[in-house]
Amino acid sequence: GQNIDQPTEMTATEGAIVQINCTYQTSGFNGLFWYQQHAGEAPTFLSYNVLDGLEEKGRFSSFLSRSKGYSYLLLKELQMKDSASYLCAVRDPSNSGYALNFGKGTSLLVTP
Amino acid sequence: ETGVTQTPRHLVMGMTNKKSLKCEQHLGHNAMYWYKQSAKKPLELMFVYSLEERVENNSVPSRFSPECPNSSHLFLHLHTLQPEDSALYLCASSQATGLVSGDTIYFGEGSWLTVV
Repeated sequence: GQNIDQPTEMTATEGAIVQINCTYQTSGFNGLFWYQQHAGEAPTFLSYNVLDGLEEKGRFSSFLSRSKGYSYLLLKELQMKDSASYLCAVRDPSNSGYALNFGKGTSLLVTP
Repeated sequence: ETGVTQTPRHLVMGMTNKKSLKCEQHLGHNAMYWYKQSAKKPLELMFVYSLEERVENNSVPSRFSPECPNSSHLFLHLHTLQPEDSALYLCASSQATGLVSGDTIYFGEGSWLTVV
């Protein structure tokens, strides 16, 4: 079965740092993805982890611990445009092959 | 512009109507997907096509019928839908078979469907 959990909502201040957590329990694992989705728009790819550790891409970083079934997305120097939903997704070859299985998403509000 | 184009962007249909959603990808990908996005729910995988062959059908009701005539086009044919089918339907594509774990899925803008 699939179980991917992340907080429903978070609020942070412009210029600050925010960490969005994701925990997963899946039968198989072949990568964890983070997507950003603004209201009314398509989800867009942010980052990908398949090995343990931190991947950094500019203001965004993503961390993975496979033994703990845990990932986080770290957003630094928050900007107003970062207000969006952030989706955690896992590729599980034993379930749906190479499709991604998504959590419910975390709605982030950045305030002035 | 993600390289995945969906039409129409908005559709209102009655429960007895027949309509179709269209998706076209310009990325040279081999796999295409339909996902359903409802409020307060995770993105739900509906169908997966790889090289025009359906490889996944996630217990979707038969009132949803996919069609993949070639690797660039994907349709979702709709008939006798229910109001609870109202949602955002997202098309997506990826390079290949997922043998490479980093194969990223790219989404279209979605088609907002309202069933009345």
